[in-house]
This record gives sequence, C-alpha cells and structure tokens, in this order.
Amino acid sequence: GAVVSQHPSWVICKSGTSVKIECRSLDFQATTMFWYRQFPKQSLMLMATSNEGSKATYEQGVEKDKFLINHASLTLSTLTVTSAHPEDSSFYICSAATPIFPDTEAFFGQGTRLTVV
Amino acid sequence: SQQGEEDPQALSIQEGENATMNCSYKTSINNLQWYRQNSGRGLVHLILIRSNEREKHSGRLRVTLDTSKKSSSLLITASRAADTASYFCATDRDYGSEKLVFGKGTKLTVNP
Repeated sequence: GAVVSQHPSWVICKSGTSVKIECRSLDFQATTMFWYRQFPKQSLMLMATSNEGSKATYEQGVEKDKFLINHASLTLSTLTVTSAHPEDSSFYICSAATPIFPDTEAFFGQGTRLTVV
Repeated sequence: SQQGEEDPQALSIQEGENATMNCSYKTSINNLQWYRQNSGRGLVHLILIRSNEREKHSGRLRVTLDTSKKSSSLLITASRAADTASYFCATDRDYGSEKLVFGKGTKLTVNP
C-alpha cells in the first residue's frame, strides 16, 4: 500500500511556543490530506482537511488560527500548533487518500505525540 | 459526532482463541473500513468492505457487514500475542466522502 510519513514522531515543547508537524505522501500524490487528533484511550477526531493549493477546511470547533495547515505541494502537508498550551497535548495523525476505484482508501502516518509543558 | 460505535470496548483472550469485535453506525455508507492501532502508533489499514458486500476475508481476518442493521463485525481467528492492539471501524462521514468517522475502538489483549 501507499506510504505516508509523519515527522516528528514525538515532540515536547514549552507553553507558548509553536510546533510544526509534517505529513508526506512518499509514493503517491495526495491532493487532499486529513489531520486527526486523538486523546488518550479515545478515538480519532477529524480536525481539518488539507487541500493542495487552497485553504484548509476546518471541522466545527477547531480553531483555524491555532492549528495552521499548509498544503504547499502534492506530497506535503504541515500542521503548525501555534502558541501551544498543555491542553493541546495529544496524538496528531495525518492521512492521505488514494482513489482506488471505486473506493478511496486512506493511509495514515505514524502519528506525532505532542506534549506541551 | 461519532458514527461508529464498537463493542466491546475491551477484550482479553488467550492465544489461539478467536476474537470478535462489533461496530455499529448510524447513516448510509459507501464502505466501512477496519483499522488497527498499536499503542501510541499510527493506524494500519486492515480491510475495506463495500456497502454491497456482506462478507470479506483477508488472511485470519473476516469482516461482515449488515447494512440493514447498520453493523459490522471483525473476526480474528487463531489470535496471536502480536494481535494485541486497538481496533477501529471507520465509515465515510458523508456517502462517498474521503472524510472518515471513527468508532471508539476495541482494545484487544491476546495473552500468550
């Protein structure tokens, strides 16, 4: 299957700083990528849809100014958590979909564990 | 809102036994997918079943789909300790959408 690489796999940062997480599709082009957030022992919640060459679309309740998404190329989307606070500590996972007619299969990155201290 | 709901939330079995996990959803779907997540890791795609399919096999995995009951089950046969992980079902949030809605997951522990 297709490979999605996410970096870093874990990061610890101080409150008030910003953290950038990268999501790359290694062997296919992804016009659309998705960012999810997962709290401990909970399910994944979709945060936003990253669209190559256009603005990301955010789910209800997700602050677009806090979670900046840039999809500058067909293989790279970045999520920047700005002015991070301890409550932003979570597991962030990206995915990219490839249309495999007639279905669309999603491939996920390894995830990034963010800890804000 | 959560689309899929898995049960049980946690399941502990012995190696060699079969493990069955169930998932229910609320709206019409194009397909349903099952994923596996090892602790603190990303998701691995296991199997996709389309809405017009009733059963699908992949190795030791067997997935069923009952669209009339809006439910699916994942059966892992002859379980191994390495199968220990959380298992999630996911459906397309809107029919045919690439956006996935995940269930809460079943945490499976296979004891050696």
